[in-house]
Amino acid sequence: KAGVTQTPRYLIKTRGQQVTLSCSPISGHRSVSWYQQTPGQGLQFLFEYFSETQRNKGNFPGRFSGRQFSNSRSEMNVSTLELGDSALYLCASSLGLTGYTFGSGTRLTVV
Amino acid sequence: AQTVTQSQPEMSVQEAETVTLSCTYDTSESDYYLFWYKQPPSRQMILVIRQEAYKQQNATENRFSVNFQKAAKSFSLKISDSQLGDAAMYFCAYRSRTNAGNNRKLIWGLGTSLGVNP
Repeated sequence: KAGVTQTPRYLIKTRGQQVTLSCSPISGHRSVSWYQQTPGQGLQFLFEYFSETQRNKGNFPGRFSGRQFSNSRSEMNVSTLELGDSALYLCASSLGLTGYTFGSGTRLTVV
Repeated sequence: AQTVTQSQPEMSVQEAETVTLSCTYDTSESDYYLFWYKQPPSRQMILVIRQEAYKQQNATENRFSVNFQKAAKSFSLKISDSQLGDAAMYFCAYRSRTNAGNNRKLIWGLGTSLGVNP
């Protein structure tokens, strides 16, 4: 059974650019959540999608957005990148309240 | 709002010995889930153990066990017979059992870096 796949694994972008990260959940999982991990703030919830609908959103500016497709794959987009957006972005898929399975993340560096 | 606190940024243990990682949390809810996750250098967050708040019995998974004290809002992880492969960041996390709106997320502590000495 394939796990959660996040692409790309590493990304370097320049301030002001935009970026799109992808997450393919475990087959059959309809919920996908995104988290930002930084050394100072730890893990912060970005948003959660279920059956193509955003069910919850964290306290991030509108530059952070996401979507989910009919096959449950999800993308998150960050526009007008800032240096502070440098982080590890983790995606988790789940089947129910507690079965969270995480991907290996995308390491985004903004220069 | 719920919070999770891990007061030990770093810990170390000798191989084959036992170590306990601490976690406290704050919530006004009575029904929730608590988790310990392990994050090795590969970056993938791996579930170690899960506890349901309505169950008084402490969860156990092989060498990993928890001490869940609901009244004290404490949830510590004990690793027995520590192995070199246990070296990683360990995160404590909280999830409301209520599935509505803003509760649909994990709330995390800042983590404890565990080193295992051979």
